This record gives sequence, C-alpha cells and structure tokens, in this order.
Amino acid sequence: EAGVVQSPRYKIIEKKQPVAFWCNPISGHNTLYWYLQNLGQGPELLIRYENEEAVDDSQLPKDRFSAERLKGVDSTLKIQPAELGDSAVYLCASSLGTSLEETQYFGPGTRLLVL
Amino acid sequence: AQSVTQPDIHITVSEGASLELRCNYSYGATPYLFWYVQSPGQGLQLLLKYFSGDTLVQGIKGFEAEFKRSQSSFNLRKPSVHWSDAAEYFCAVGARTGNQFYFGTGTSLTVIP
Repeated sequence: EAGVVQSPRYKIIEKKQPVAFWCNPISGHNTLYWYLQNLGQGPELLIRYENEEAVDDSQLPKDRFSAERLKGVDSTLKIQPAELGDSAVYLCASSLGTSLEETQYFGPGTRLLVL
Repeated sequence: AQSVTQPDIHITVSEGASLELRCNYSYGATPYLFWYVQSPGQGLQLLLKYFSGDTLVQGIKGFEAEFKRSQSSFNLRKPSVHWSDAAEYFCAVGARTGNQFYFGTGTSLTVIP
C-alpha cells in the first residue's frame, strides 16, 4: 500500500515569492492534516480536513497561508508571500477516520528554505 | 490547555543498553497518548499509543511505554537499543473530545557502538 506522498521534497525560494505544497493521502483516508515543523521542534497542526471540509484551521495564518482539498482527496498548501520565518518542514498526514484513535500516517515532508 | 513536555533534548546510549525517554503531560483528564519516531528523511511513524485499559503498552520495534496517571507521565522504554534506533522521538497527546493534538519538542537519540 502506498503511503502519504508529498511533493516537492525540497523547495528553495526567495522571500515574497509564492510557494505551494502538494499532498496525496493514503487511498480511502478521509482525514488529512497539514503540520508545520520548525527545526528542533515537534510538528504543529496547521489545518485538518474531514473530506473536503476544513474542520480545524485555527492555527493557520490566514493572511498568507491557504489550503484546499478538492474532491476530498489531494490537498495543496500555499504560502503567498513567503517570509524568512516560513523556512521549515511541512508535513502532511492522513487517517482513515476522524477520531484521534485512528492512526495518523505521515508523509516525508517538504523542506522549505526561504532566502 | 494541554501541553506535553519531553525534558531530555538529547540522549546518548550504548548499543545494547536499555533506554527510557521521558514524557510528561498536562491535561484535565486522561488524554490519548502517543509515541512517534522520526528518522532522517523519513516521515513520522507511530510506535505505540494508549487510549485506555492496561497501562503498559507494547509497540513496534520492541518499544513499550507505561502510563502513570499519578505522575502524568508516559515514558518510552526499550530493554536493548540497536544502532538503527538512532532517531528523533516525539511524545504526543490528544484530547478525547475536540480532537486537539499536540506534539512534544522531541528527544534526539544517539546510539554509540
């Protein structure tokens, strides 16, 4: 079974440029998560989707970050414009159901460097 | 508000030695408790989880963790560490209602021959 796929794996951009990350969850997984992981820190939830609906986006900086999950499968996370402080690893995870009792499966992440 | 603390930023152990990684949480009730491992270039992988019942939980790769309510702790243990266990380990807590989910800051494990 294929795991969570993320692309690109690495991205280097200059500040004020836009950037987008893509995530393909495990087939059949209804819940999708985007996390931000700063160097030396644990992941922090940005947004959680149940199917197409964003059910928790309270930690998403909405002035520059946006996300979508069209058709309840793939998801994209966008930053526009990027700032130096956005340099981090962006992780995507998916789970079969909505409860935390369901195991979250993580992708390898996209490492972003903003110059 | 929930919080999770991993007091040890970095731990070094010899191969074959026992290991204990500490995790303490702050929560009004018993939360869901998890341990994840993150190897370089790899995604986070769930080692084990505790929801209820037996407070000693067995996980993958020979790891176990014990939930101690009186100490608000969920420490991870392994009796004999292998070189391949070198990685970053994260404790996480989740709310039983509302689905809030928080990771600790992680403990980096180095295994020396």
